[in-house]
Amino acid sequence: GIQVEQSPPDLILQEGANSTLRCNFSDSVNNLQWFHQNPWGQLINLFYIPSGTKQNGRLSATTVATERYSLLYISSSQTTDSGVYFCAVEPEAGNNRKLIWGLGTSLAVNP
Amino acid sequence: DGGITQSPKYLFRKEGQNVTLSCEQNLNHDAMYWYRQDPGQGLRLIYYSQIVNDFQKGDIAEGYSVSREKKESFPLTVTSAQKNPTAFYLCASSISGGLGTEAFFGQGTRLTVV
Repeated sequence: GIQVEQSPPDLILQEGANSTLRCNFSDSVNNLQWFHQNPWGQLINLFYIPSGTKQNGRLSATTVATERYSLLYISSSQTTDSGVYFCAVEPEAGNNRKLIWGLGTSLAVNP
Repeated sequence: DGGITQSPKYLFRKEGQNVTLSCEQNLNHDAMYWYRQDPGQGLRLIYYSQIVNDFQKGDIAEGYSVSREKKESFPLTVTSAQKNPTAFYLCASSISGGLGTEAFFGQGTRLTVV
């Protein structure tokens, strides 16, 4: 089945720094989502981005479907950005609609 | 407010007991899902339902059961057959089970076996 790999696994930033998180996937996808899991466990939708580029405030994401990767950019990071960032994809192959998840990037932003 | 509500937030279970986790959505979504998350891990799919009165096993369905009698509700029962039930459980929904639909999540239920 499709493999989803996220990098780096862990990241520590000083407040105000910028960062790029990466999600590689091994096969074609219908759907790719980025989520932020806050310290209380809530999964918050960041982007629904099977292709192209989107921006929302300090966050932006780009998916290059033909090269099977997606990038999440965080600019001017804040302590509230801390948590785990997950990438999840829905494979194009097969008849199911399941999301396949990466293991996440754990981000800590220090004041 | 529209959204997905999971209850309770925290749940303690004695060994050998069945417990039921509630998931309700008022988004008029057809598809609903249950995931399990263990510490430091990604999410694993337990069961999903693309339409009322129908559901399918996910990757780790053993020891769990679900029902989908109403569009709004998709309760998960953790049975005594589940060997290691202590985990964080997340419910999600999407507008349909079709291709490329965005999934939204509830706040989760943290289950602890005591």
